[in-house]
Amino acid sequence: TQLLEQSPQFLSIQEGENLTVYCNSSSVFSSLQWYRQEPGEGPVLLVTVVTGGEVKKLKRLTFQFGDARKDSSLHITAAQPGDTGLYLCAAMYGNNRLAFGKGNQVVVIP
Amino acid sequence: ETGVTQTPRHLVMGMTNKKSLKCEQHLGHNAMYWYKQSAKKPLELMFVYNFKEQTENNSVPSRFSPECPNSSHLFLHLHTLQPEDSALYLCASSQPGQGAPGELFFGEGSRLTVL
Repeated sequence: TQLLEQSPQFLSIQEGENLTVYCNSSSVFSSLQWYRQEPGEGPVLLVTVVTGGEVKKLKRLTFQFGDARKDSSLHITAAQPGDTGLYLCAAMYGNNRLAFGKGNQVVVIP
Repeated sequence: ETGVTQTPRHLVMGMTNKKSLKCEQHLGHNAMYWYKQSAKKPLELMFVYNFKEQTENNSVPSRFSPECPNSSHLFLHLHTLQPEDSALYLCASSQPGQGAPGELFFGEGSRLTVL
């Protein structure tokens, strides 16, 4: 059983468009992280959200943690080719265990 | 540059070979991890080391043998692997109690192909 479901699995958009990807679960988490992994690289942490309903912004990226702390979304405004990558959500649960989703593969076409 | 370096970046080996993956972190962290990343699967935690002591083995087959000689170095020794073991192997480090909860610093990975 997959603890974290990320959707869509793959998304291709034109430069300048907006996009939203999702990370959902039936479990409650103490915190949730988003990582971005570019081709040939390891994942790099973008943000950690801790409080239900929390919204964090990182330039053109907006991250939201659901009120019930079971889900999260990542919205990118005016996407650029540099935003291309695999976006991974990871959630802390139980005794400091970290679970990852399969990722949202985003391709931004120039 | 995340401060975590993995070598080799690419490795091709036969099923009867013995090889090792190396990871070194320059961040002064006390915890180090091996993860396996396969296509269309979530990252799978393999091993966790805290202060050089193995604290977690996530039911990993014995053909994978980790070694942590000190807090900065982590190895993954590979022996008689199977083709399904082909994947990207990621090393990560963290400092519990510092930074964001559970924040991991990953290396660039070692792409392993088993023929």
